[in-house]
Amino acid sequence: GAVVSQHPSWVICKSGTSVKIECRSLDFQATTMFWYRQFPKQSLMLMATSNEGSKATYEQGVEKDKFLINHASLTLSTLTVTSAHPEDSSFYICSAHQGSTIYFGEGSWLTVV
Amino acid sequence: GDSVTQMEGPVTLSEEAFLTINCTYTATGYPSLFWYVQYPGEGLQLLLKATKADDKGSNKGFEATYRKETTSFHLEKGSVQVSDSAVYFCALSDGNNNDMRFGAGTRLTVKP
Repeated sequence: GAVVSQHPSWVICKSGTSVKIECRSLDFQATTMFWYRQFPKQSLMLMATSNEGSKATYEQGVEKDKFLINHASLTLSTLTVTSAHPEDSSFYICSAHQGSTIYFGEGSWLTVV
Repeated sequence: GDSVTQMEGPVTLSEEAFLTINCTYTATGYPSLFWYVQYPGEGLQLLLKATKADDKGSNKGFEATYRKETTSFHLEKGSVQVSDSAVYFCALSDGNNNDMRFGAGTRLTVKP
């Protein structure tokens, strides 16, 4: 079964609205989670590192005000895409570490219309 | 910065055919190298890894050898099955597993 659960798997939203994606670690605590996005036919790109109880660390070129990350508990990190635009349509995936093992969520397909 | 270049797909093979998916990398240090697999509707799963030059990672009949001289980590399997149909990602880590760089992914379809 899934060790990291991501929700929703698919979401369609209107341009200008915000959408939240959740990443949960099941049966283990993760002080750090990672958020990636993947454009069609391109690599997975690290967006940010989510830290429980503190601010997320964003990669260069990723707008922190647009991609809000909250890691309020040891098992949940959320990514909120604010004021979404069609160019934000992408595949978003999270990961969490348990010891030296990395687990990935199922991924979330976001389509902004 | 570090990067991974992966053979473009899609790749379509018949059952029992030989598989090679090429992966080369660019890194300033001595990264660990990984192959991940994503089956339809599931999350990424680690398939195999190698942490130093000349190491060979293997799992489920898949193999890849860390070649420092050619900066490559090609994935191979001698006889693919329909159940191997998935997307395969080559990745590297700077050593602390906290920052992964992925290739674009290669979709493999195996036909009976």
